[in-house]
Amino acid sequence: DAMVIQNPRYQVTQFGKPVTLSCSQTLNHNVMYWYQQKSSQAPKLLFHYYDKDFNNEADTPDNFQSRRPNTSFCFLDIRSPGLGDAAMYLCATRNRQGYEQYFGPGTRLTVT
Amino acid sequence: ELKVEQNPLFLSMQEGKNYTIYCNYSTTSDRLYWYRQDPGKSLESLFVLLSNGAVKQEGRLMASLDTKARLSTLHITAAVHDLSATYFCAVDRDDKIIFGKGTRLHILP
Repeated sequence: DAMVIQNPRYQVTQFGKPVTLSCSQTLNHNVMYWYQQKSSQAPKLLFHYYDKDFNNEADTPDNFQSRRPNTSFCFLDIRSPGLGDAAMYLCATRNRQGYEQYFGPGTRLTVT
Repeated sequence: ELKVEQNPLFLSMQEGKNYTIYCNYSTTSDRLYWYRQDPGKSLESLFVLLSNGAVKQEGRLMASLDTKARLSTLHITAAVHDLSATYFCAVDRDDKIIFGKGTRLHILP
């Protein structure tokens, strides 16, 4: 059974057109992460939540926003996508009291 | 600032050979992870190492952790083609999990 679900799996958007990526989890984990991974690069941490506490990385562009309305769901909003934002976006979860980090299958974003 | 360095970044090796991937990190950490990633796919968890001297093994892969040296190793024994992938280490500190650049492993028949 899928534990971390990302929708959509593939997203095509136009330059400058806002887009929202979704992540949901059935694990009831209190920590959720968003990573950006460009081709042949490491996953780059954009932000993470511990419960509703939001932690933004210093170098995450203002163009990227996130919402976590409840434990199960987390959203990544890209307000004005540029060509450089084309990447795989990975959502992950972890129970702070546990050890493993679980990744979703990712959303591949294409910007035209 | 937490930094994670992996080496080598690229590794081409023949089947049957042994090799080690190294992961150094810059500050104390809560735990260390190793992941595998196949092209176009998400990350698959291999190991989580929690304490100094921890060693974990799964099949032909063995990971170890030396917290004093801030070093983890992933050792591949008698490599087979199916192990061709990119391997990442990642370090967790205060809920931030930061990745190394990855080691792209290509195993030749």
